[in-house]
Amino acid sequence: AQSVAQPEDQVNVAEGNPLTVKCTYSVSGNPYLFWYVQYPNRGLQFLLKYITGDNLVKGSYGFEAEFNKSQTSFHLKKPSALVSDSALYFCAVRDPRGSSGAGSYQLTFGKGTKLSVIP
Amino acid sequence: NAGVMQNPRHLVRRRGQEARLRCSPMKGHSHVYWYRQLPEEGLKFMVYLQKENIIDESGMPKERFSAEFPKEGPSILRIQQVVRGDSAAYFCASSPREDIQYFGAGTRLSVL
Repeated sequence: AQSVAQPEDQVNVAEGNPLTVKCTYSVSGNPYLFWYVQYPNRGLQFLLKYITGDNLVKGSYGFEAEFNKSQTSFHLKKPSALVSDSALYFCAVRDPRGSSGAGSYQLTFGKGTKLSVIP
Repeated sequence: NAGVMQNPRHLVRRRGQEARLRCSPMKGHSHVYWYRQLPEEGLKFMVYLQKENIIDESGMPKERFSAEFPKEGPSILRIQQVVRGDSAAYFCASSPREDIQYFGAGTRLSVL
């Protein structure tokens, strides 16, 4: 079974500083990895994905993520944090073969990391 | 192109009543997923549907919960005889194939 761990419930960073939100995963085979952001009382917004290719993936709003196969990690990063980046961030994994042998492409999410950017 | 539309945004039910949650996928998307988010937790997969077919319902409780995605109209998640433990945010996502899932704003169900 696939799983995702986000070891930090909360990350605080000063505006203008670089930020990192950590994610590790477990899945059979090569994973499909995603980051989503959720603002209060809103749905999830897609930020970026890793399917194959370059280990450094660039996404929306200046975010990027680095895939590290040996460490089974997919940490989200941004060089300079904005106050408006404050939100809940979710890492998700999908088995490229589909889960449960039924061709299902369900996402398995981590519990989320609350990012607070301090002015 | 409108995003994934869910309604209602908020739904209040008393114990024992039925809850019906609707999801209209993005135009051109034939894959629909339902997830449930409990307070302070991530999203948990419930069911995956394509038009007129349930592909994977491994995350859905066996009792009281059902889902459909008819040929015409929105996808419906139905919860019969709701209990307090059903209180959560229910999110729908759609995708054109097995690709990026785009999420709606969710329905927040409160059971009194």
